[in-house]
Amino acid sequence: DTGVSQDPRHKITKRGQNVTFRCDPISEHNRLYWYRQTLGQGPEFLTYFQNEAQLEKSRLLSDRFSAERPKGSFSTLEIQRTEQGDSAMYLCASSLGGTTDTQYFGPGTRLTVL
Amino acid sequence: AQTVTQSQPEMSVQEAETVTLSCTYDTSENNYYLFWYKQPPSRQMILVIRQEAYKQQNATENRFSVNFQKAAKSFSLKISDSQLGDTAMYFCAFSDSGTYKYIFGTGTRLKVLA
Repeated sequence: DTGVSQDPRHKITKRGQNVTFRCDPISEHNRLYWYRQTLGQGPEFLTYFQNEAQLEKSRLLSDRFSAERPKGSFSTLEIQRTEQGDSAMYLCASSLGGTTDTQYFGPGTRLTVL
Repeated sequence: AQTVTQSQPEMSVQEAETVTLSCTYDTSENNYYLFWYKQPPSRQMILVIRQEAYKQQNATENRFSVNFQKAAKSFSLKISDSQLGDTAMYFCAFSDSGTYKYIFGTGTRLKVLA
């Protein structure tokens, strides 16, 4: 079990550019979550998938954000036309599902928008 | 809406001493889960301990234990025999049985002093 992995670990981009992050969950984990964490704050929920279905999206997820989980395996989070306010750590987590739904977190992708 | 409050932004403790981190939450749900996660500097979030609301017995994991007071909606974490490796941000999180997403507090930065 290699844990949740995220790529890239760091991303610096200019305002207006598009960026895409990838998350590979723990194998056989059915649920996959995305959170955003800004400096000095706790993570905030963005969206989650049950297998390939996106079941919930936060109002934080504006129309510039899109997430996919094709075939219920890895997931991508794309931000279009980045803004300075998008600068944050983007965390991915996965869980096995069921009632004892403990989430396991990846190392995160730190996005800096210049 | 559920909320999680951690009222101690920073705490410090001497090595080998005991420290208690506070967390309160607000929910109208009866069935839910509570978690403490540890986020060491520049490292990923790790589960410390979890508590199911339907269980009256407080959870323990080695040096970590919780004081779960359901009526008071309080969920504090006690760290015994503190070690230098316990230095980290500690986040309290809430999850109800329906949505699975976590709601985090703002965190407590714990520093263990040699």
